Amino acid sequence: QQQVKQSPQSLIVQKGGISIINCAYENTAFDYFPWYQQFPGKGPALLIAIRPDVSEKKEGRFTISFNKSAKQFSLHIMDSQPGDSATYFCAASGGRGSTLGRLYFGRGTQLTVWP
Amino acid sequence: NAGVTQTPKFQVLKTGQSMTLQCAQDMNHEYMSWYRQDPGMGLRLIHYSVGAGITDQGEVPNGYNVSRSTTEDFPLRLLSAAPSQTSVYFCASSYSTPGTNYGYTFGSGTRLTVV
Repeated sequence: QQQVKQSPQSLIVQKGGISIINCAYENTAFDYFPWYQQFPGKGPALLIAIRPDVSEKKEGRFTISFNKSAKQFSLHIMDSQPGDSATYFCAASGGRGSTLGRLYFGRGTQLTVWP
Repeated sequence: NAGVTQTPKFQVLKTGQSMTLQCAQDMNHEYMSWYRQDPGMGLRLIHYSVGAGITDQGEVPNGYNVSRSTTEDFPLRLLSAAPSQTSVYFCASSYSTPGTNYGYTFGSGTRLTVV
């Protein structure tokens, strides 16, 4: 079954707006939650990541919010720009047992930011 | 510093043919993985390795073999290509400390078509 569930599948936002992408997981062995950004024809690139000992991490216009009890995390893109138009993937991995070295991805969200 | 290098970038195979997708990294990363990306399915883990000489299966290993004889190289072999293996393949690598994962760096991908 899918280890990480991501929504929405696609998102259209006006320039300057806030883009929000949500993810949920079940495996409590996960202890690392990265977000990847992928442009057409390119490989995914690490955007921002969080560990479950903090509830929020901010890097520029990108913020991860993490809710450990609900096993959910989300990506917020503030002041969205046309250059942010890409596919975004959430992911999860763990440092022990069957999760060690394995990175599980959500199915992706295609973000379009209109100028 | 090349990062993760994948060859070839494009390949067309006939059903039943075999081939090897090459992946090399020059960052002395311990962890390496192979993913396939299909529309609407996100990135699915085929095989992964937590160090030279150590490999394990991911979510969709059937029809693929891997080996890891050196830290730098992690080739993916298609034993007998099938149309269902038409996909974009990504190799990724990551450094690690015991029990802890860090962000994976992805190659630029190999687009494979099986006819």
